[in-house]
Amino acid sequence: DIQMTQSPSSLSASVGDRVTITCRASQSISSYLNWYQQKPGKAPKLLIYAASSLQSGVPSRFSGSGSGTDFTLTISSLQPEDFATYYCQQSYSTLRWTFGQGTKLEIK
Amino acid sequence: QVQLVQSGAEVKKPGASVKVSCKASGYTFTSYDINWVRQATGQGLEWMGWMNPNSGNTGYAQKFQGRVTMTRNTSISTAYMELSSLRSEDTAVYYCARVSWDSYGFLTFPYWGQGTLVTVSS
Repeated sequence: DIQMTQSPSSLSASVGDRVTITCRASQSISSYLNWYQQKPGKAPKLLIYAASSLQSGVPSRFSGSGSGTDFTLTISSLQPEDFATYYCQQSYSTLRWTFGQGTKLEIK
Repeated sequence: QVQLVQSGAEVKKPGASVKVSCKASGYTFTSYDINWVRQATGQGLEWMGWMNPNSGNTGYAQKFQGRVTMTRNTSISTAYMELSSLRSEDTAVYYCARVSWDSYGFLTFPYWGQGTLVTVSS
């Protein structure tokens, strides 16, 4: 199975900050990488697909980049509603989906 | 609009089985795979397996092989996930998620059920 490793596991930041979360795949997955946001008690929400495509309705302060094995999710200017946990997911092997372990974004 | 509505919370004893349902509406049920993902309290997302509602074909994560069964009833647009030989480590919220894809074939999980808490306790 393809292993997905996120860093950092947790991150403290302030409203207005620019933050970057990294996801690394154990093998090349081209651009088959999705990002989700999850808030406590809620199901995950799709933010970015195909590494850099913004899901409909998601604010433009969210962006994704990368290909091959290394990917990043960037929030350009943190808003209060962005404090949540973020997960990457590979969609290269769709018979064996895998998620990263998550990055918890907390208020500094 | 697409909706996935899951069954309610369950409490089970170790060794028992649990069957969670996921009722779909707002689209043609047989046209999109359903996946199941679980999340233990304070932990990350763990993919369990997929099911093609049209064919009934399934694929399971190796960790759950032999313990999980995914089925469907197309007449009522409902998918099921049954997990057997429950142990305390199976205590988690279980989600169903529907696949979607864009014009280039990139797959995602844009639609999720609300989650079902399964508690395994003696």
